[in-house]
Amino acid sequence: DQQVKQNSPSLSVQEGRISILNCDYTNSMFDYFLWYKKYPAEGPTFLISISSIKDKNEDGRFTVFLNKSAKHLSLHIVPSQPGDSAVYFCAANFYDKVIFGPGTSLSVIP
Amino acid sequence: KAGVTQTPRYLIKTRGQQVTLSCSPISGHRSVSWYQQTPGQGLQFLFEYFSETQRNKGNFPGRFSGRQFSNSRSEMNVSTLELGDSALYLCASSLETTKWRGRMNTEAFFGQGTRLTVV
Repeated sequence: DQQVKQNSPSLSVQEGRISILNCDYTNSMFDYFLWYKKYPAEGPTFLISISSIKDKNEDGRFTVFLNKSAKHLSLHIVPSQPGDSAVYFCAANFYDKVIFGPGTSLSVIP
Repeated sequence: KAGVTQTPRYLIKTRGQQVTLSCSPISGHRSVSWYQQTPGQGLQFLFEYFSETQRNKGNFPGRFSGRQFSNSRSEMNVSTLELGDSALYLCASSLETTKWRGRMNTEAFFGQGTRLTVV
């Protein structure tokens, strides 16, 4: 049973528009959430995180929103750029466990 | 500061063989985690080592094992390889600090991975 779900395997967005990547989790014990970006032939790199005491965290073009009651978080990229094309993994943390979602492949079309 | 180094980058093995993958974490990092990435499955957690002890383990069969040395370098071994073991194996290291309500810093730094192909 997947505790962290990313129900969209892929997403295509026009350059300059907003990309919204979604993530759902089932375990209410998770209290820290992270997003990683992965290019082909490279390891994932940390992008942004949010703790459960917040509902929004912003870093430049990247904003993560957390809705604890819905057990849902989303990553917004505005404006989207071709270089953002990658696989995005959502991860949830509880104590010393980190569970990754299956990833969403984002394609930003010039 | 050197990043996480995984060797080898690519490996081809035949069914039934065994394989050992190596991971050198970032200097000063004591936690090393291993993940298997396959299309559609995302990152599946294998195990985590901290100070030479396995601290967490995922849901993989006993054919998958690992260890960590005193210098924090880690190895992962897969015995009796199966075709389904073909995947990208990623190692991640993290610096464990107690911060924010005493919880550990969980930001992980990944290596480039070892692409294992079993034929």
